Amino acid sequence: DQQVKQNSPSLSVQEGRISILNCDYTNSMFDYFLWYKKYPAEGPTFLISISSIKDKNEDGRFTVFLNKSAKHLSLHIVPSQPGDSAVYFCAASATGGGADGLTFGKGTHLIIQP
Amino acid sequence: DTGVSQDPRHKITKRGQNVTFRCDPISEHNRLYWYRQTLGQGPEFLTYFQNEAQLEKSRLLSDRFSAERPKGSFSTLEIQRTEQGDSAMYLCASSWPGQGAAVYEQYFGPGTRLTVT
Repeated sequence: DQQVKQNSPSLSVQEGRISILNCDYTNSMFDYFLWYKKYPAEGPTFLISISSIKDKNEDGRFTVFLNKSAKHLSLHIVPSQPGDSAVYFCAASATGGGADGLTFGKGTHLIIQP
Repeated sequence: DTGVSQDPRHKITKRGQNVTFRCDPISEHNRLYWYRQTLGQGPEFLTYFQNEAQLEKSRLLSDRFSAERPKGSFSTLEIQRTEQGDSAMYLCASSWPGQGAAVYEQYFGPGTRLTVT
């Protein structure tokens, strides 16, 4: 049973436009959420995170929004650049310090079109 | 600044053989995690250490899988009697819940790709 769901396997966006990647979760115990970016043949790279006590966190071109009542979060990338083409994973943690490890979605492959 | 390193990067083995992978975390990180990633899936958590103590191992896939971190620095993941279903990318991550730092941010290595023939 997937506790973290990324329902779009792929997303194509024109360079310069906004990319919106979505993630839904089912476990109410999750209290911290992270986005990772992965290029082929590399490990995932941490992008941005958000605690459940917040509804928005921004870091440069990346903004994560959290809607706890809907159990939904999204990652916005503005403006999208060619180097943003990668697989993006949503991850969640339910215990302090990530003692249970992270629970990941299946990923969304973002393709930035020139 | 060195990140998380893993060795080997690729391993091809025959079914029934034992394999061992090594992970060297970021030097000041006291937490170390192992994940497995199969095609089309996200990383799947396997086990976790804080210093040399293995605090979570119930998620290891079977009793053929074991992990150690004897001195609280590098870690090894061993798979005994490999099966074709063990073919996957094995990822290691580390973190440091230091004062003022974000507790949950795990930094990943490049992974070891295992192919069992």
